Amino acid sequence: GNSVTQMEGPVTLSEEAFLTINCTYTATGYPSLFWYVQYPGEGLQLLLKATKADDKGSNKGFEATYRKETTSFHLEKGSVQVSDSAVYFCALGKAAGNKLTFGGGTRVLVKP
Amino acid sequence: EAGVAQSPRYKIIEKRQSVAFWCNPISGHATLYWYQQILGQGPKLLIQFQNNGVVDDSQLPKDRFSAERLKGVDSTLKIQPAKLEDSAVYLCASSLEYGGASFYNEQFFGPGTRLTVL
Repeated sequence: GNSVTQMEGPVTLSEEAFLTINCTYTATGYPSLFWYVQYPGEGLQLLLKATKADDKGSNKGFEATYRKETTSFHLEKGSVQVSDSAVYFCALGKAAGNKLTFGGGTRVLVKP
Repeated sequence: EAGVAQSPRYKIIEKRQSVAFWCNPISGHATLYWYQQILGQGPKLLIQFQNNGVVDDSQLPKDRFSAERLKGVDSTLKIQPAKLEDSAVYLCASSLEYGGASFYNEQFFGPGTRLTVL
């Protein structure tokens, strides 16, 4: 079946540090890949997406590249801010049944 | 364009009580999903509707959970009776359609209902 594995948190960083959250997936065919962010007390927000191999999704300074050869979709940001403190979820979308499969989430805490 | 609406945002109940959540999807979205997100975990699909029919309820604890989508628009999710382990955020999502074998239709999420069972 489909699955998503992402690094466990919490990840604690200082402001302006570089952030990487690893995400790998298992799926047949060509899924769509997503990063969602959940700020404290709020719902899920789509951060970025990529729908085919080698696509790069980007938003708010975050980037992730769809790597078919390594089945990965790692999230990166060059300089984090305190406001980036949140839980980040990697997810995989499959056409069959229009199903979305989430990873377990990675909590990021950015300290001033 | 209005997003997915959910109510209430927060609910606190005692165990063995019943509770209901409401969701209004994005206009024109045929497919509606209910997810359960337990603290520290990723969301888990409970039930998926296409218009007013159920297409997947394999993860729904049917002895206590029920859901309906009358008229293919709004949906309600009910828990009766609630248990302590039902404490979670209940997320509703919608997408344009389901079943297209060639591509995935993006799901759009509501703000969620945070349920606390005491």
